[in-house]
Amino acid sequence: DSGVTQTPKHLITATGQRVTLRCSPRSGDLSVYWYQQSLDQGLQFLIQYYNGEERAKGNILERFSAQQFPDLHSELNLSSLELGDSALYFCASSVGGANEQFFGPGTRLTVL
Amino acid sequence: EDQVTQSPEALRLQEGESSSLNCSYTVSGLRGLFWYRQDPGKGPEFLFTLYSAGEEKEKERLKATLTKKESFLHITAPKPEDSATYLCAVSNYGGATNKLIFGTGTLLAVQP
Repeated sequence: DSGVTQTPKHLITATGQRVTLRCSPRSGDLSVYWYQQSLDQGLQFLIQYYNGEERAKGNILERFSAQQFPDLHSELNLSSLELGDSALYFCASSVGGANEQFFGPGTRLTVL
Repeated sequence: EDQVTQSPEALRLQEGESSSLNCSYTVSGLRGLFWYRQDPGKGPEFLFTLYSAGEEKEKERLKATLTKKESFLHITAPKPEDSATYLCAVSNYGGATNKLIFGTGTLLAVQP
């Protein structure tokens, strides 16, 4: 158990819908990262927050957004969902800097 | 562009048969190289961080080494429970983020 929690574990929804994925980092970690893992692309960085502020964006679609709250938990919002958004979404946390990242169990999103 | 290439894509070993997994990387300035283990449907589990060429780290039957261009994950006398996908990732000194850039992984199967 990495100490990072994610909910829900599974999510099944229809095209065009909007969903919210939630992540709680390890105690003491200020950085939260979101990654997408699909069969054909591997693990891809989406976005990073550090202590409530957006730190960096990767290949995140405009339909996707995220935020980190004062208690340091983070939410990833996915809207206007398409079939191709079906994937595993992982949250990771770290103390910061060059430190290793610890991953949560993931949310499996299926868009029908 | 920063890039990570892992080989082989898949590896099948007999229990007790030692081998090595390769991770070649191209990065503008290496902040750290990370090895993770991922079981099907689970989040990546942190194994090692290596920071500079010549560095080595060990954990049970696993040993990770680093050169200026590649890293190896040596598996000594593997057991069936070592079966998993092994992921290599790098972070660089570009910008304010330590996002991870992942390879596509090596799927290891250890047969009893």
